[in-house]
Amino acid sequence: QQQVKQSPQSLIVQKGGISIINCAYENTAFDYFPWYQQFPGKGPALLIAIRPDVSEKKEGRFTISFNKSAKQFSLHIMDSQPGDSATYFCAASIRAGFQKLVFGTGTRLLVSP
Amino acid sequence: NAGVTQTPKFRVLKTGQSMTLLCAQDMNHEYMYWYRQDPGMGLRLIHYSVGEGTTAKGEVPDGYNVSRLKKQNFLLGLESAAPSQTSVYFCASATGAGRLYGYTFGSGTRLTVV
Repeated sequence: QQQVKQSPQSLIVQKGGISIINCAYENTAFDYFPWYQQFPGKGPALLIAIRPDVSEKKEGRFTISFNKSAKQFSLHIMDSQPGDSATYFCAASIRAGFQKLVFGTGTRLLVSP
Repeated sequence: NAGVTQTPKFRVLKTGQSMTLLCAQDMNHEYMYWYRQDPGMGLRLIHYSVGEGTTAKGEVPDGYNVSRLKKQNFLLGLESAAPSQTSVYFCASATGAGRLYGYTFGSGTRLTVV
């Protein structure tokens, strides 16, 4: 049972555009929401994370927006670059859960030159 | 600093054969995890360990066994491989001191069962 739903499955954005990936969850016990970035042939790597006590977190061109009441969160990539082409996973975990992450199904992003 | 190392990187098994995937980390992390990655299904937790000598089942544990005899190593075993176990397997580790640094993943093992 997938506890974190992610969309879209794939996304094509022109260089300089904004990439937006959305995730939704049901379990209100989740209290940590990271995003991971995965390049072909590599393992995922932590990109940015947010806790539910804030509505937005920004690191460079990457921003997480969090809507606790709607149980949704999204990743925005501003000024998207070809080097951002990768698969992105949202995830969620519970503080008391030994950091077990529940991952979304992934979004394959292609930024065209 | 190697991080998380997985061996082997690729393997082809025949149905019914057994094998062990090795994960080694050099960061002194308490927690270790095995995930499988399948198209359209994301990463699903197979088994995990919160310390040396302890293991627990994840979301999809059937057909797999694990052991963590040493803190730095986490082994994933397939006793009788099935085609449904064709997947890319990722090992990850994390410090028990908090979630700030997230997981460190290995580069994966691509397993094909024919």
